[in-house]
Amino acid sequence: AQRVTQPEKLLSVFKGAPVELKCNYSYSGSPELFWYVQYSRQRLQLLLRHISRESIKGFTADLNKGETSFHLKKPFAQEEDSAMYYCALGEWGTGNQFYFGTGTSLTVIP
Amino acid sequence: EADIYQTPRYLVIGTGKKITLECSQTMGHDKMYWYQQDPGMELHLIHYSYGVNSTEKGDLSSESTVSRIRTEHFPLTLESARPSHTSQYLCASSRQGGSYNEQFFGPGTRLTVL
Repeated sequence: AQRVTQPEKLLSVFKGAPVELKCNYSYSGSPELFWYVQYSRQRLQLLLRHISRESIKGFTADLNKGETSFHLKKPFAQEEDSAMYYCALGEWGTGNQFYFGTGTSLTVIP
Repeated sequence: EADIYQTPRYLVIGTGKKITLECSQTMGHDKMYWYQQDPGMELHLIHYSYGVNSTEKGDLSSESTVSRIRTEHFPLTLESARPSHTSQYLCASSRQGGSYNEQFFGPGTRLTVL
């Protein structure tokens, strides 16, 4: 069963415009949600996680259990934000499984 | 320097060959993982380990096997490579804990089976 859905494979925005990368999940328990990012020629790395409630590089993401969503947002996109973004879900407590979405390739147009 | 290493970075091999993809970490982590990633597709967990002598299969069925004889080493083996095994393989590690901790990824091995 698909645990994490990222409906947009490609997303382009202009520099300075707001950006939102969508993520929906399917899980009946208490999930842990993450956003990972992969910049060109770099490794996949953690961007932020929902339990930290932090803003990293201007990005925030709020877990909405009612809508089962964990969308990633930034009010003003920068060229250096161009990258591949993956939403991920971990099964809390058991630590047994970790599911990634298909990823969204973000391009910020100068 | 604490890091995760994967070798080889690229491998082109013929059908039927036995191959081992190496993964080592100097992060001091107990948990290690192997993911398979096809271009434009999600990462699929194929194996994971909580520590020495602990290995489990992940969500994606895989014909590969793993071993965890040392904490820092988590090799993945394909006994007989096939073209369907062509993919990128990512190794990751994380600290032990009740909830999920950040996973640190290696640079990946891109495997092509002819």
